[in-house]
Parts: sequence; C-alpha cells; structure tokens
Amino acid sequence: GIQVEQSPPDLILQEGANSTLRCNFSDSVNNLQWFHQNPWGQLINLFYIPSGTKQNGRLSATTVATERYSLLYISSSQTTDSGVYFCAVEKDAGGTSYGKLTFGQGTILTVHP
Amino acid sequence: DAGVTQSPTHLIKTRGQQVTLRCSPISGHKSVSWYQQVLGQGPQFIFQYYEKEERGRGNFPDRFSARQFPNYSSELNVNALLLGDSALYLCASSLEWGSPLHFGNGTRLTVT
Repeated sequence: GIQVEQSPPDLILQEGANSTLRCNFSDSVNNLQWFHQNPWGQLINLFYIPSGTKQNGRLSATTVATERYSLLYISSSQTTDSGVYFCAVEKDAGGTSYGKLTFGQGTILTVHP
Repeated sequence: DAGVTQSPTHLIKTRGQQVTLRCSPISGHKSVSWYQQVLGQGPQFIFQYYEKEERGRGNFPDRFSARQFPNYSSELNVNALLLGDSALYLCASSLEWGSPLHFGNGTRLTVT
C-alpha cells in the first residue's frame, strides 16, 4: 500500500514562532487532507488539498503532487495549536477518489507560552 | 448544524464479548467511514459506506462488520473482542466520495 511519512515527528515551539510540517507519500494521490488532533482526541479537518496551495488564517498548505509531498505552514503559533498534525492520502488508482485515507504517523506539536 | 455524533463515548468490554458502536453523520452527508486509532498511531481505515452500500474495507478481520441505514447513520460491530481491539474508534462523514472528511469525537473502547 501507499506509504506516508511525516516530519518532524516532534516539534516544540515558543508562542509566536512559525513552523513547517512535511508529508511525503510514495505514490500518486487523488486525495490529500491535513488534520489536527487536539489533546482531547478530536480530529479537525484543516485542508483538503490534493494539489496546489490553500490558506486559512494563520495556516496554509501546499501540495506538489508531481514530487509527492505536501507542506503545512503554521505562522504566529499559539498554545491552542498544540496537538498532533496528521497528513492523510488516498492512492490514485486511475478513477474516483473513494475517501479511503491512509494516515501518516503524525507530527506532535507543542507550543509553549 | 450538529457535527458527526458518536455513541457511546466510552465503553469497557471483556474479551470474547461483542460491541456495537453508533454514528450519526452531518446532515446531508451520504458517506460514512470508520477508522481505528491505537494510542500513538494515526487512524487506520476500517470501512466506508455510501448510499447504504459498503464501498471499501480495510485490512481488518471478519470480526469487524458495519452497516449504514436509510437515514445514513451507521453502526460498527466487533465480535469476539480481543485485547488488541482496545482503541479509539472514529467515525467520519463526507458529502460525497473523496470529499473532506469530518470526524466525530470517537468511542474509546477498552477490552479487559
């Protein structure tokens, strides 16, 4: 199956710092989503971004599908950004995306005040 | 609008027992997926249902089964529970196939 590698595995920041999280995947994809899992276990969808660039407030994401990677940028980090960030992909089998996502192991982000 | 709702929130079962987990999708969402998340790992795909039909199954044994009802809600059943089935079970809904997933808060299952 498709492999998803996220880096770094752990990241510790001071409030106000910027960061970049990376997601590499081993095959062509037709579906890529970024999620934030807060300390209470709730998974929040941040971006649906199989290709291109999107921005939402302090967060932005870029997927370069031809080079099989995606980046999540967090600017001016806040303590509420703490948690685990997951990248999830679906291999492009030449047809419709069915939404059967393979998740990476995640990046654990800790933001200190 | 309410998000994805799951019940119960926590459950403790004994090895060999059976469990049923429930999920109500966001109103208007026709696709429901189930994921298992073991502590320290990313969620793993179990099932996807769309328009009441199974559209995908992950690498899980036949002890795991699911169904989707006419109102698009869903149940996940696990028979003959093993200690290794202890995990957070997440339900997600989406408007269509392949569109953004929205997760519920999960059911924490502990098997003793």
